[in-house]
Amino acid sequence: NAGVTQTPKFRVLKTGQSMTLLCAQDMNHEYMYWYRQDPGMGLRLIHYSVGEGTTAKGEVPDGYNVSRLKKQNFLLGLESAAPSQTSVYFCASSLGSGRMYFGPGTRLTVT
Amino acid sequence: GIQVEQSPPDLILQEGANSTLRCNFSDSVNNLQWFHQNPWGQLINLFYIPSGTKQNGRLSATTVATERYSLLYISSSQTTDSGVYFCAGSYSGAGSYQLTFGKGTKLSVIP
Repeated sequence: NAGVTQTPKFRVLKTGQSMTLLCAQDMNHEYMYWYRQDPGMGLRLIHYSVGEGTTAKGEVPDGYNVSRLKKQNFLLGLESAAPSQTSVYFCASSLGSGRMYFGPGTRLTVT
Repeated sequence: GIQVEQSPPDLILQEGANSTLRCNFSDSVNNLQWFHQNPWGQLINLFYIPSGTKQNGRLSATTVATERYSLLYISSSQTTDSGVYFCAGSYSGAGSYQLTFGKGTKLSVIP
């Protein structure tokens, strides 16, 4: 039981490049989330999904897209990376409104 | 949306000391969780505690939902307790399962 896993762990992008972050969970959770963490800002919700095939915007969705084609996977895409997207990205999952479990995070630097 | 305020922002303790961390909410919540982010960045769920009191070893938490606050108690602190403690809440009655996080309390336990 691996819990929540994220790929990759680190990435450096140049401005304008694109990339996809992959999140996978093996707990059969319906809900999945993408957060970003910046110094002094706590964690802010980017997008979330309440089930396979559904997605919704969170607090800071601009510049990101997501897809939930399979229940166990939640993908976060950056179509044209900007330096303001330099951050640590966390994926999380939960069984409804129950306990939330986080992945190990992805550290992204955009130069 | 819900505003979450945590206090104190920083706390330095001698090993063996006890501490209380506080979390205030601007509105009613029925989903409240506490997390610990260790120095390596991993976020661990400590408690799911929408009301009442729970204990887990040296840690315990109390939520008084009617007064919109929660407390996290750490007894006999150890250096491994160092890190940042976040509380997060939401009100799922409106169909929202998006946890809003506070900015955290940074705890340093010195030997």
